[in-house]
Parts: sequence; structure tokens; C-alpha cells
Amino acid sequence: DGGITQSPKYLFRKEGQNVTLSCEQNLNHDAMYWYRQDPGQGLRLIYYSQIVNDFQKGDIAEGYSVSREKKESFPLTVTSAQKNPTAFYLCASKASGVSYEQYFGPGTRLTVT
Amino acid sequence: AQSVTQLDSQVPVFEEAPVELRCNYSSSVSVYLFWYVQYPNQGLQLLLKYLSGSTLVKGINGFEAEFNKSQTSFHLRKPSVHISDTAEYFCAVSDRKDSSYKLIFGSGTRLLVRP
Repeated sequence: DGGITQSPKYLFRKEGQNVTLSCEQNLNHDAMYWYRQDPGQGLRLIYYSQIVNDFQKGDIAEGYSVSREKKESFPLTVTSAQKNPTAFYLCASKASGVSYEQYFGPGTRLTVT
Repeated sequence: AQSVTQLDSQVPVFEEAPVELRCNYSSSVSVYLFWYVQYPNQGLQLLLKYLSGSTLVKGINGFEAEFNKSQTSFHLRKPSVHISDTAEYFCAVSDRKDSSYKLIFGSGTRLLVRP
């Protein structure tokens, strides 16, 4: 089955530690996105990548970093500089051309204490 | 900057009753419009989208939405809801001129269907 996988489902970290969230897709999509979801605030864009080895900051990129070394993979690192990292993180992808919708993974819930 | 407003944070409704979830967007530029549904602790699933053409769009699970350009609205409707429709619903827009196809989301509306 084609789709987007995010691992792990739940992640716990101590304050001050960096943590990397995995996002893999086998849809052959060019574009990939990372969103953060907080209660009552909808989804906010962290980073996006439209092609391998290239990515751009979204609206709330501070304290996060990404890489796009392979088309299938777009890992997100939450650094210790992120002041409030506890949230639900969603990865999405989109095909090139006439398809405009984004397809979402199941999400990773990160808790930092 | 583009913004999306979902005025109702929660909408309670009885099973088999009709429901409307409201969505308004701010910009007058041409946009693509989407409704997504999210079940607890899951990702988002596309319900329907408006790209062009007919302003009435039909989606999955019996949902439909109407694009109103003059009112910059894209309200979601279902004539008869089921318990299984209980979920959070997000409206999103994408600027047609933005080649990144970034989505701007509303804050979501929690639909609570009661028996």
C-alpha cells in the first residue's frame, strides 16, 4: 500500500535533548511538508521541501531543522532551542503537476518534560 | 497574508440531523479550498476540494461544500450525520499563485454527534 509513515507514534524526551521525527513516503511525491498541531490552533507549517536537497522555512521554523537527502524521506529534528516542543507533528506530501491536495501521515505525538 | 476562520470551535448535533460547518478565508486572490477530517490521534484525511468549475463540491462520506467567492466562504454541509462523523474538521486554503502549494489551515471545528 502506498502512503506516508511516521515513527514513532509517541515520543518522550527530556528538556534540552534534540529529537528527530521520521517521515517516509512511497507515493513518489516530490513535495513534502511538516506541520505542528496544538489544541485549538489548527496546523502550522514548519518546513517544506519541493525537491531533493532543497527546503524552505515555513511560518514557525525556529528551533527546528530538516534534511531532504532522498525523495522518500523528510526527517524533522526538534532542537533544544525550540521553547515549547510538546505537540502533535504531522508530515504530508504532494504530487507534482495537477494534483493539489496534500496527503498526511498518522502523526507523532512528542512530549518533552 | 492569507488567513482562514472557522468561527465554531465545537458543533454539537443529534444523530440524523443536518449540520453546517462554517469556513471563511481572508484574501481576495484566487485560492484552492479544502476540507479535511481528523479522527482522534490520527492524521488528516481529505473530505473534498474546490479547484475550479462548479461551486458545489461533493466529497466522501456524504459531505458537500459550496464555494462562495463574493462572501469568501466555503461551508461544509451534511444532510444527515452519523455517530461516526464525530471528529475534528479543518478548512484549508492554498494560494493559486504560490507554487509551493502551502496550506493555510483554520483552527478546526469539533463535530460532536449525539445519539
